[in-house]
Amino acid sequence: GDSVTQMEGPVTLSEEACLTINCTYTATGYPSLFWYVQYPGEGLQLLLKATKADDKGSNKGFEATYRKETTSFHLEKGSVQVSDSAVYFCALRDIGGSGNTGKLIFGQGTTLQVKP
Amino acid sequence: DGGITQSPKYLFRKEGQNVTLSCEQNLNHDAMYWYRQDPGQGLRLIYYSQIVNDFQKGDIAEGYSVSREKKESFPLTVTSAQKNPTAFYLCASSMGYGTEAFFGQGTRLTVV
Repeated sequence: GDSVTQMEGPVTLSEEACLTINCTYTATGYPSLFWYVQYPGEGLQLLLKATKADDKGSNKGFEATYRKETTSFHLEKGSVQVSDSAVYFCALRDIGGSGNTGKLIFGQGTTLQVKP
Repeated sequence: DGGITQSPKYLFRKEGQNVTLSCEQNLNHDAMYWYRQDPGQGLRLIYYSQIVNDFQKGDIAEGYSVSREKKESFPLTVTSAQKNPTAFYLCASSMGYGTEAFFGQGTRLTVV
């Protein structure tokens, strides 16, 4: 079945460091890919998305490119801030595979801690 | 403002009790979802509904029940059959296939 795998955390960085959180996926159809962010005690917020191969999603300095050849959607940011500390979830919605329901499938989440 | 409202934010349940978590959305979305989140883990799908009066079991439906009598409402009941209900519960909605989901602020359920 469809699945999403993220790098394990926590990831601890100093302010202004570069960030990469790896995400790979397995899907039978034509998935849309998403990154969500969760701040402590809150729900999830959509950070960015990409709906087809080679699309690049971007928001608030974060970027991720849909790579079909490597089945990846890595999250990147050139300079992180303390306020970026949160849990980041990679997710897919497969809309073309056999027996799919269009439901969202999440990775296990990666905790990012940014220190001043 | 449009969005998803979950209530209550915190809920305490005694052993053997049923409790109902509320989820309301005014985004005119067709699909709604319930997820469970445990510490250090990802989100697991409990139930989802793509249209009114229809819903399907997710990956961990045992011990839970839902209804979808109105488009804007998708309440979740945690029954006494759920042996380990302490968790953070998230409700979400989406327009339909291939579109992003929007989440509520969550309900933290604790068994006392």
